[in-house]
Amino acid sequence: NAGVTQTPKFQVLKTGQSMTLQCAQDMNHNSMYWYRQDPGMGLRLIYYSASEGTTDKGEVPNGYNVSRLNKREFSLRLESAAPSQTSVYFCASRHTRGTEAFFGQGTRLTVV
Amino acid sequence: DQQVKQNSPSLSVQEGRISILNCDYTNSMFDYFLWYKKYPAEGPTFLISISSIKDKNEDGRFTVFLNKSAKHLSLHIVPSQPGDSAVYFCAASFEGAQKLVFGQGTRLTINP
Repeated sequence: NAGVTQTPKFQVLKTGQSMTLQCAQDMNHNSMYWYRQDPGMGLRLIYYSASEGTTDKGEVPNGYNVSRLNKREFSLRLESAAPSQTSVYFCASRHTRGTEAFFGQGTRLTVV
Repeated sequence: DQQVKQNSPSLSVQEGRISILNCDYTNSMFDYFLWYKKYPAEGPTFLISISSIKDKNEDGRFTVFLNKSAKHLSLHIVPSQPGDSAVYFCAASFEGAQKLVFGQGTRLTINP
């Protein structure tokens, strides 16, 4: 049982380049989330998807887009990367309200 | 606007003693609260949760207390062990929605 799988684990981008972070879960969870973790800032919610076909902005959505491709997959796209997007990105999923979320191992992204 | 706050960036505790981690929230619509533990280079892992209809929940060495009137929750770890050294995040879930918001984290160090 893989849980939540994120790819890639590491990435270096040049300013202005684009990329998509992939996330897949095999737990049949309804909700999926993208967070970024920065020193002193904790885990900040970028976007979330309460169910297949819906997405909503979190606390820091600017510069990002998401796609809930199906129930399993939730991708995060950076259209034009900026150094301020250097961070560790975590994907998470959970079944419903009142249950815990499960996290992937993270993607460490550096924008130079 | 930080809706979930952990005001202590770090905490150092002697092995065998009690560790108390604190968390404050601002939005009275939160109805489900969680604590996560995170080791370096890993994703956060779920520890314990509490619903707003309760004021205490225990799981082994971990107890979470919720004070709704003060909008405050705390995590007690008794006795503290070296393996408890990690960053601890509290999180809160919005009533009627799937949004899951985290605090900034507290780095707990257990000294032998």
